Amino acid sequence: DAKTTQPPSMDCAEGRAANLPCNHSTISGNEYVYWYRQIHSQGPQYIIHGLKNNETNEMASLIITEDRKSSTLILPHATLRDTAVYYCIVRVAAGGTSYGKLTFGQGTILTVHP
Amino acid sequence: NAGVTQTPKFQVLKTGQSMTLQCAQDMNHEYMSWYRQDPGMGLRLIHYSVGAGITDQGEVPNGYNVSRSTTEDFPLRLLSAAPSQTSVYFCASRRAQGARWTDTQYFGPGTRLTVL
Repeated sequence: DAKTTQPPSMDCAEGRAANLPCNHSTISGNEYVYWYRQIHSQGPQYIIHGLKNNETNEMASLIITEDRKSSTLILPHATLRDTAVYYCIVRVAAGGTSYGKLTFGQGTILTVHP
Repeated sequence: NAGVTQTPKFQVLKTGQSMTLQCAQDMNHEYMSWYRQDPGMGLRLIHYSVGAGITDQGEVPNGYNVSRSTTEDFPLRLLSAAPSQTSVYFCASRRAQGARWTDTQYFGPGTRLTVL
C-alpha cells in the first residue's frame, strides 16, 4: 500500500470549512484514497473514499488531484464534534488480493475551536 | 443494528493471566479483524478472518489467538498476558465484496486493557 503524508495538526474555527491535505505521491492506479477519523477514546469511523473523481457524501467532500498524488478532505462546516484525528489511507479496494487491512499512520489532529 | 460490539470496555490483568476479548457484529459481515492501538501510534493489525473457520495473522500476532466459529463472533485470546500487551484493542468488520460503497470497515468502541 502507498505511503501517505499528513500534517500532524491543524486548527479550524467552528462553522468554517476544514481542509485536510494528504500527500500520496506513490499511489498506484488501482489504489483508492480512504479517510477515517477517530474521535477521542472511540473506534475509527469511516468518512469517505474515492479513486480519481471528486466525491461527496453527507459528512465530507474528497478532492483528488488529477495526477492522484494528493487529495484534500473537506468538512464544509466544522463543528466542535469534528475535533478528532483524521487518517488518510491508500489501498486497493474490496475484492482485491489485499484483505483490506487499513494501515493507519499518525494522521492529522484537527482541533475545531469556538 | 447494534453494529460491532466489544466486551469488556475495560480490563486489568496481572502478568501471566489469560483472558478473552469478545467481539460480535450483527451486519452479516464476512471479514472481521482485531487491531491494537498504542499511545502515539496508529492501529496495528493483530489477526483477521475472511469467514467462519478461516483466520490469518496480521502484523503483530504473537501472544494472541483467534478463532471464528460463527460469522457473528470473533474472540481474541491473550494466552499469557504481558505488560507489552497493555493497549486499546479494536475489533472491525466489513463486507467481503460488493458495491464500492460497501468497502467500509466498521469499528467497535474498543477494549482498554492494562497488564500489570
